[in-house]
Amino acid sequence: DADVTQTPRNRITKTGKRIMLECSQTKGHDRMYWYRQDPGLGLRLIYYSFDVKDINKGEISDGYSVSRQAQAKFSLSLESAIPNQTALYFCATSGRGQHTDTQYFGPGTRLTVL
Amino acid sequence: KQEVTQIPAALSVPEGENLVLNCSFTDSAIYNLQWFRQDPGKGLTSLLLIQSSQREQTSGRLNASLDKSSGRSTLYIAASQPGDSATYLCAVLSYGQNFVFGPGTRLSVLP
Repeated sequence: DADVTQTPRNRITKTGKRIMLECSQTKGHDRMYWYRQDPGLGLRLIYYSFDVKDINKGEISDGYSVSRQAQAKFSLSLESAIPNQTALYFCATSGRGQHTDTQYFGPGTRLTVL
Repeated sequence: KQEVTQIPAALSVPEGENLVLNCSFTDSAIYNLQWFRQDPGKGLTSLLLIQSSQREQTSGRLNASLDKSSGRSTLYIAASQPGDSATYLCAVLSYGQNFVFGPGTRLSVLP
């Protein structure tokens, strides 16, 4: 079984709808991240959490919110989806040794907003 | 603010060639630099992590080097194979910041 899972894998929705993307991990890591990937732009950080009570905005948090329900679960919500939020979304985790640990990525969620 | 660029954006080579992918970053105050591989429809897989105190790391046919003073890293792939076809991304972790990713190099190795 995969260490980092994301649901759904694909989602098509309409402008104005509320969408939730979910991430679960079995690696026992405290740190979790949400990124979006757009062609030619690399990955950009949306939100990150270093433990259950810690939530931080990333580079592009506007229009998004997150919830850290447990150490293993980190959800990303789009309160009112708009077409420029069409992208590939990745969840990632890392251990406490942030400077020495790599990040482990989920398979991604492809979101299309019409 | 750290910025990361990768050259070339895309590369196509015949099987068996040795090749080099380039990554540049603007702020040399880094903790580490990582190279990832991304296959279509899948997430990123870490290939190599180089700490700021290190000059290079090797794993099988892959060798990554780091020159902090010039803000550059290279990923060397020896004896390329069609299975190496993927997008390769570098990511830099800097003081007081989270990981910053480059846009990636899309590699095609032709049989």
